[in-house]
Amino acid sequence: DIQMTQSPSSLSASVGDRVTITCRASQGISNSLAWYQQKSGTVPKLLIYAASTLQSGVPSRFSGIRSGTDFTLTISSLQPEDVATYYCQKYDSAPLTFGGGTKVEIK
Amino acid sequence: EVQLLESGGGLVQPGGSLRLSCAASGFTFYNYAMNWVRQAPGKGLEWVSVISDSGDSAYHADSVKGRFTISRDNSKNTLYLQMNSLSAEDTAVYYCAKDQGSGWYAADYWGQGTLVTVSS
Repeated sequence: DIQMTQSPSSLSASVGDRVTITCRASQGISNSLAWYQQKSGTVPKLLIYAASTLQSGVPSRFSGIRSGTDFTLTISSLQPEDVATYYCQKYDSAPLTFGGGTKVEIK
Repeated sequence: EVQLLESGGGLVQPGGSLRLSCAASGFTFYNYAMNWVRQAPGKGLEWVSVISDSGDSAYHADSVKGRFTISRDNSKNTLYLQMNSLSAEDTAVYYCAKDQGSGWYAADYWGQGTLVTVSS
């Protein structure tokens, strides 16, 4: 099975900082990669699908890019409401594995 | 408005069984694949199962294979998860999640989840 390695597991940044989170697939998954945001006590929310397509209603400060088997989620200017845990998920084929998550906090 | 309402969670003894349901509304249920995703207390998301729009294809995570079975009734707009031989490691909130399409895509809508606690 393809493994999804997400890094870092946590980060702390200041408001306005550029934040990047990476997810690496152990094998090629084409663009079949989604990013989700889960705020404390709430349901996961789809942010990005097909590696770089922003879900409707998601602020444009979120973006995604693929480079081979490496996928990056970028928050261009971190806002207080972005405090959350972020997960990647592959969906090229089953199992539809999630990454381990990245907890983002404000410094 | 898309709505997904899970039910059937609760406290069950180790070795026991439980069937979760997810009632869907606000979209054409039989046109979309559906997922179960779980989250143990304080842990990350774990994909559990996916079923195609017609119900002809289904897959399960290795951690539940042979014990859990995903199914759907398109006439009732309802998704199910039959869980057998439960252990403490299955304790989690179980989310029903709608696929973006008929196959394997991202999950664009999630239910509020139902808590399953396996304990004696």
